[in-house]
Parts: sequence; structure tokens; C-alpha cells
Amino acid sequence: DSGVTQTPKHLITATGQRVTLRCSPRSGDLSVYWYQQSLDQGLQFLIQYYNGEERAKGNILERFSAQQFPDLHSELNLSSLELGDSALYFCASSESSGGNQPQHFGDGTRLSIL
Amino acid sequence: GENVEQHPSTLSVQEGDSAVIKCTYSDSASNYFPWYKQELGKRPQLIIDIRSNVGEKKDQRIAVTLNKTAKHFSLHITETQPEDSAVYFCAASSNYGGATNKLIFGTGTLLAVQP
Repeated sequence: DSGVTQTPKHLITATGQRVTLRCSPRSGDLSVYWYQQSLDQGLQFLIQYYNGEERAKGNILERFSAQQFPDLHSELNLSSLELGDSALYFCASSESSGGNQPQHFGDGTRLSIL
Repeated sequence: GENVEQHPSTLSVQEGDSAVIKCTYSDSASNYFPWYKQELGKRPQLIIDIRSNVGEKKDQRIAVTLNKTAKHFSLHITETQPEDSAVYFCAASSNYGGATNKLIFGTGTLLAVQP
């Protein structure tokens, strides 16, 4: 158990819909990272938050957005879903933002678009 | 842009043999290099990491080496066991002046250890 909690574990929805994925970081960790894992793109960094503020953006689509709340949990919102958005979405957390701290991953949310 | 290449994509070894996975990174500012093991349907698990001020690090049967000049780093697993079978990912990060340490991942190596 990494201490990073992601819900839900599985999500099945249709094209055009909107979903919200939730992540609670390990106790004491202030940084949350979102990664997408698909068969053709591998593990790709989407976005990072540190103590409520956005710190870095990767290849995140405009249809996707995220936020980190005062209790440090984070939500990733995916809208106007397309078939290609089907993937595993992982959240990871670390103590700080820089400083090369280890990142620990949650169990992921498997998103299936029908 | 930032890129990490990983080879081989698949690796089959006999139990007890050694396995070596190699990665090359493009961003010369990269200074942190973790390795993750991912079993089928599970989360990536950090198994070892190395920082750019160190050339080699070892943890029991696992070791990582770093050549900053060549921008190469490698994972070495000795005395492989069937439970080592998994997909292994290398990653590189630059802390961008303390702002972030987002990870750029390699494409993964499927390691199969034959009993």
C-alpha cells in the first residue's frame, strides 16, 4: 500500500460525457502529480499541483482540468470524452515540489469510454 | 524536448541470470533517475532511484548506474527470480530550479524470468 488513494477504481462511460477522478496523497505529501497510461502513449505526465497551486503542465488536453483542494486532495476532470481517452489514470504524490523527492503512485483509475 | 529512450522493449532470461535495462535521456539538466516496476494491472512501484551526484547505487539484487557524460543510466538485476517478471520503467526528472520534479518516462521493458 503506497498510501495514495484513488477513486473510483473503474469508470465506464460514453463519449461526450464528463467524469471526475479523485486522489488523496500520502499523509504529509504536498505535491500531487497526474499521469495517463495508455498502450500507445505509455506513461505520460499530465499536470502537477503543490499545496493548492499548479506547478507544471505536461501534455494535458484542454478538455482536461485539475485542482488541488485545501485538504490536499486533488481531482482530475475530463470532459467531452472521446474513445481515445480510455486509459489508466494514475495519481502520485511527493513531499515537496522540487528537490527530486520520490513519487509514490496510487492504484489508478481505469477509464473506459464506450 | 525532453525524451527518454529505453531498451530493450522485451527481455527474457533464465532464472538466476542477470538482466540489464538501459535508458538514455535528452535533457542535460536531468538530475534524478528513478526506476519503477509495474506488475500486470497494478501501480508502478518505485524500486530504486539515483541522483546525478552519484554514479552507482545498489540495493540487494538491484543496482543502477549513471553516466552523466553519455546521458545513460542502467538497471541491473542479478540472480533473477520469477517474481521479478514485470514491466520496468525508467524515468528522468529535472527539478527545474525547485519548481517541479515531473517525471519523463521511458517506454518500458517487459522482463520475463523463465523458471
